[in-house]
Amino acid sequence: NAGVTQTPKFRILKIGQSMTLQCTQDMNHNYMYWYRQDPGMGLKLIYYSVGAGITDKGEVPNGYNVSRSTTEDFPLRLELAAPSQTSVYFCASSYDRRNLNEKLFFGSGTQLSVL
Amino acid sequence: AQTVTQSQPEMSVQEAETVTLSCTYDTSESDYYLFWYKQPPSRQMILVIRQEAYKQQNATENRFSVNFQKAAKSFSLKISDSQLGDAAMYFCAYFDDKIIFGKGTRLHILP
Repeated sequence: NAGVTQTPKFRILKIGQSMTLQCTQDMNHNYMYWYRQDPGMGLKLIYYSVGAGITDKGEVPNGYNVSRSTTEDFPLRLELAAPSQTSVYFCASSYDRRNLNEKLFFGSGTQLSVL
Repeated sequence: AQTVTQSQPEMSVQEAETVTLSCTYDTSESDYYLFWYKQPPSRQMILVIRQEAYKQQNATENRFSVNFQKAAKSFSLKISDSQLGDAAMYFCAYFDDKIIFGKGTRLHILP
């Protein structure tokens, strides 16, 4: 019963480096999301996807890219890491709004520090 | 664009008492979901309660209940018989095709 799996759990990057945060879900969910949570703050939506091949910007997309080639995977790419991207990143997934048991399933988060 | 506002950054309540956390939202949609999530220091996001907008009846889950006022776009969470384990950040969230979170309310439980 894996649910939503995020890797890595922790990462330190130097300014200008790039990396990909991986997210996989095994629940055949159509909807997948990436959020960032700055210390003491709420979750801000970076990107989301309503199905394979479809992605859309959220509230704070600048500096990030995503792809959704399969239903299961939704990686988040940071191309040129900046200190402002230091945050905890959460991946989440759900069925869609027509499912009466709608809820979000969250990964355990990735603590990213850019120094 | 949809927005979610939690106007209480922090609240405190005596153990065994009742506390209400406020949430308002803005949307032009008529069909959507609303959630309250709890985030303890472990960072895990835990679903507390869910409300479908088409349902007039307020959702309840044990000691947790909501006051859903669709016309006023208000969705408050009431915690009865507060327990020490309820101490956490609480986030209100809105969902139609994407989920938007409020900034959160940190709840302290006083023994």
